[in-house]
This record gives sequence, C-alpha cells and structure tokens, in this order.
Amino acid sequence: NAGVMQNPRHLVRRRGQEARLRCSPMKGHSHVYWYRQLPEEGLKFMVYLQKENIIDESGMPKERFSAEFPKEGPSILRIQQVVRGDSAAYFCASSPTDREGYGYTFGSGTRLTVV
Amino acid sequence: GQNIDQPTEMTATEGAIVQINCTYQTSGFNGLFWYQQHAGEAPTFLSYNVLDGLEEKGRFSSFLSRSKGYSYLLLKELQMKDSASYLCAVDSMDSNYQLIWGAGTKLIIKP
Repeated sequence: NAGVMQNPRHLVRRRGQEARLRCSPMKGHSHVYWYRQLPEEGLKFMVYLQKENIIDESGMPKERFSAEFPKEGPSILRIQQVVRGDSAAYFCASSPTDREGYGYTFGSGTRLTVV
Repeated sequence: GQNIDQPTEMTATEGAIVQINCTYQTSGFNGLFWYQQHAGEAPTFLSYNVLDGLEEKGRFSSFLSRSKGYSYLLLKELQMKDSASYLCAVDSMDSNYQLIWGAGTKLIIKP
C-alpha cells in the first residue's frame, strides 16, 4: 500500500524555466492538497483539488502557478517562468472522502531550487 | 479570522518531559491534529482529538479543551530523535475541508 508519492524529490531549474511537480495520492484518496514550505517556516496552503476540480486555490499566486488533478493520472503543480523566490519544499497531501479523524497523509515533498 | 498559535521554539533535556501548547480561534471545530516533522522530511500524523480530554499513545499524549480553544502535546521520556517541529492543525468546518495549520514548534533536545 504505497503512500502519497511525489516526484521528483529534488528539482533544479534555471530562472525562467518551467517546473512541474507530480503527486499521486494514496489509493482510495480523492482529495489532494498542495503546500509550500520555506526553510524554518510552517506549511503554507496553496490549493485543494478533487478529481477534475479545483476546490480552493486561494493560497496560490495568481500568476505563473497552476494546478490540476485529472481523471487519470497524478495531480500536477506547474510553475511557469520560475524565479529564485519559488525555491522551497512543495508538499502534497491526500485524504479520503470521509476523513473524520484521519487527517492528511503527506508525500515526501519536492525540493525546488531555482538557480 | 481563523488563527492558530504555538510557541516558535522550545528546548528540553533528554529523558525529561515537555509540553507543547496550541491555542486556536476558528469559526468552527471538527477536531485537532498534531503532526511531527523532522527537518527536510514530510509531516507525519501523531494524534487526533475531537472530544475534551487526554488521549494517550505511548510516550506521546494530546489534550484538548474545546471551551478554551486549547490543546497541548505532551512528550515523555524524551529521546534525541524527538528533535523535530511539531505542528498543530485544526479541522474547521468553515474552512472548506482544509486543515488550518499553526506555524509549528521547533523542539530541540539536549543531552
């Protein structure tokens, strides 16, 4: 029973390139959440998705960032024209439909470094 | 607004006991979670409280008082491996199924 799978684990991009982060939720989980974490800081909510739907993207910058969770395949967080300030750890979490008392299961994260 | 407060950092001695507090102000409440996060790793689930009282799980216990908007995580017989950040998160029914997260408490264990 694989947990939440994120890849790549580490990603290096030059300024102006695109970064694409993938997240496969746990089997049976239909809710996906993306968080960003800067060093020594807490988790910052970015976006909440269900299959084929963005439920809440209030934490995501309006420009350059987008997310999707297609009917088939992993959830993708896409950052276009990356800048140095985008360097952070990006965590994906998933939860089942009925998550009473269950909370989230997190992936191992993708560490993005923009050079 | 909705807010969760935790101390930024705490220091304790190996073998001792430490209590990490969390206060919250949310417009709804459907449970409170504690997570542990080691540096560079993903947060992992520790405990869940929805009713008032103490939940004990080995060396870790978590307490909740809904009327006071207060929780604490109690760690006993501290080990060096307990050095980590401890995150408090509230399931607020008004938050569109998101958990509302505190910034975390960095716990430093000294020999």
